Amino acid sequence: GENVEQHPSTLSVQEGDSAVIKCTYSDSASNYFPWYKQELGKGPQLIIDIRSNVGEKKDQRIAVTLNKTAKHFSLHITETQPEDSAVYFCAASQYGQNFVFGPGTRLSVLP
Amino acid sequence: DSGVTQTPKHLITATGQRVTLRCSPRSGDLSVYWYQQSLDQGLQFLIQYYNGEERAKGNILERFSAQQFPDLHSELNLSSLELGDSALYFCASSVVQGVGGEQFFGPGTRLTVL
Repeated sequence: GENVEQHPSTLSVQEGDSAVIKCTYSDSASNYFPWYKQELGKGPQLIIDIRSNVGEKKDQRIAVTLNKTAKHFSLHITETQPEDSAVYFCAASQYGQNFVFGPGTRLSVLP
Repeated sequence: DSGVTQTPKHLITATGQRVTLRCSPRSGDLSVYWYQQSLDQGLQFLIQYYNGEERAKGNILERFSAQQFPDLHSELNLSSLELGDSALYFCASSVVQGVGGEQFFGPGTRLTVL
């Protein structure tokens, strides 16, 4: 089955700096890759997603890149703010089924 | 607020017992997903329903079962509970299935098994 690895497990950055979180997946049939942000005491919230027919997607300060050949995808957050502090999860799925999540990255943005 | 509701918010019970967790999807969403989140296992996909029918199964134990009713709300039944079943249980919904539609997560139910 699918296996998703995520690095780093924790990340601390200064406010205004960029943060990058990387994920790798094992099943080449996976074609949908969402990223979720989870704040303390809340459910995960989708922040950006990418499908396998696209190499990059950007939404304001957040971008995701996908390398299908290498089977990895990355989340980039620019101009980080304290409210970006949370746990971030990547996931891989085939056609919106059988989502497999990475173990999460705890991001701390230091003021 | 995602529009997905889950009840109860907290549940404390004893080993061997049975509990039912309830989820109401966003208005118009036909697909419901159940997840278990524990400290050592991360976020694990359990099962997906689409318009009342089971669509996909993940790492769901045989002691666990779920269903989606005609009004589209869903229930997750956990029986013969063990200490290791203590976790956060999330429900998510999406309007479509099969095309990677955006999932909206509920606030979760925290289950504690003593």
